[in-house]
Amino acid sequence: EAGVAQSPRYKIIEKRQSVAFWCNPISGHATLYWYQQILGQGPKLLIQFQNNGVVDDSQLPKDRFSAERLKGVDSTLKIQPAKLEDSAVYLCASSPRLLVTDTQYFGPGTRLTVL
Amino acid sequence: QQQVKQSPQSLIVQKGGIPIINCAYENTAFDYFPWYQQFPGKGPALLIAIRPDVSEKKEGRFTISFNKSAKQFSLHIMDSQPGDSATYFCAARHGSSNTGKLIFGQGTTLQVKP
Repeated sequence: EAGVAQSPRYKIIEKRQSVAFWCNPISGHATLYWYQQILGQGPKLLIQFQNNGVVDDSQLPKDRFSAERLKGVDSTLKIQPAKLEDSAVYLCASSPRLLVTDTQYFGPGTRLTVL
Repeated sequence: QQQVKQSPQSLIVQKGGIPIINCAYENTAFDYFPWYQQFPGKGPALLIAIRPDVSEKKEGRFTISFNKSAKQFSLHIMDSQPGDSATYFCAARHGSSNTGKLIFGQGTTLQVKP
């Protein structure tokens, strides 16, 4: 079974530029998550989708971050404009359903550096 | 109330030792407590998980101890090996919430010396 795919793996941009990350979840997984992991910290949930609907985006900085999951499969996360404090690893995860005990499977992440 | 506090921040043990990582939480609505292991350049991977109706769970060399009254849980790694060197995260998930949002601790970097 293929895992969660993410691209690009690394991205370096100047502040105020825009950037987009792509995620393809495990086939058949209904739930998709985007996390932000700042160096030395645990992942923090940004947004959660169930199929193509948003379940939780309470911690997404909506003035600069946006995400979509068209057709309920792959997803993109965009930052526009980027700030220095957005430097982090952006992790995508998926799980079969929304059950509490469902395992979340993480991709390798995209490391973003904002200069 | 939504925090999960993890300690220590880093840990060094000799091969064969038993590192112990501790986590504490405040929100009694948390109903599922997984531990994730993360290697450099990789995403976190589920290691073992427990629900509050049991006090201990073992899977291979990994054991979770859970103290519901103290709102604390810990990970023990028996007979630790250099390959166990990684960052470990505890987490908690809200049982009654339909979002199932995971709240992660700050992480513990473990080094197992040969």
